Amino acid sequence: GQQLNQSPQSMFIQEGEDVSMNCTSSSIFNTWLWYKQDPGEGPVLLIALYKAGELTSNGRLTAQFGITRKDSFLNISASIPSDVGIYFCAGHNYGGSQGNLIFGKGTKLSVKP
Amino acid sequence: GAGVSQSPRYKVAKRGQDVALRCDPISGHVSLFWYQQALGQGPEFLTYFQNEAQLDKSGLPSDRFFAERPEGSVSTLKIQRTQQEDSAVYLCASSLRGAVNTGELFFGEGSRLTVL
Repeated sequence: GQQLNQSPQSMFIQEGEDVSMNCTSSSIFNTWLWYKQDPGEGPVLLIALYKAGELTSNGRLTAQFGITRKDSFLNISASIPSDVGIYFCAGHNYGGSQGNLIFGKGTKLSVKP
Repeated sequence: GAGVSQSPRYKVAKRGQDVALRCDPISGHVSLFWYQQALGQGPEFLTYFQNEAQLDKSGLPSDRFFAERPEGSVSTLKIQRTQQEDSAVYLCASSLRGAVNTGELFFGEGSRLTVL
């Protein structure tokens, strides 16, 4: 089946640092989405991308939909403590009876000790 | 309510027991999804409803798993004869749109199932 590869699996951040993570797929998607999950909570949508090559920002977050439609990256600028959590990329192909998202395994952001 | 509500939040079952997990989606949302999230993994799709119609159940791991949404709002995920490998967080999500689903899902907090 379809799989998404996210990297890095985990990273430590210091307040003020910029963070970058990416996601690649063996197949193309019409939509790429980035979700964040805090412990004990469900994922929350951060950014949705609908066109190949699209670059979208949401506050300190910036994400891009790769031109091949097989990859996406997420950047977080000037990280703050509340950025800690697990970030998931998800691919989606809309239409018909198939409505499901395919999720990556996540990138875990922790505070540098 | 304002968000997707799931119950119970935590369920401990003995192997072989049946369990039922409930999801109350955001009012008016057409699409409803169930996902299974194992520890340290991303959510994996189980099944999808558009109103009361179950349009995709390709992710259900076995015939012990059954989901319904009889009136197009509340949904129940039932697992019969639970096994240890069923231990996971079960996430419910809803989406406003139906046929032109954009993938923008609103998730509940999940039901954590532990099978002993």
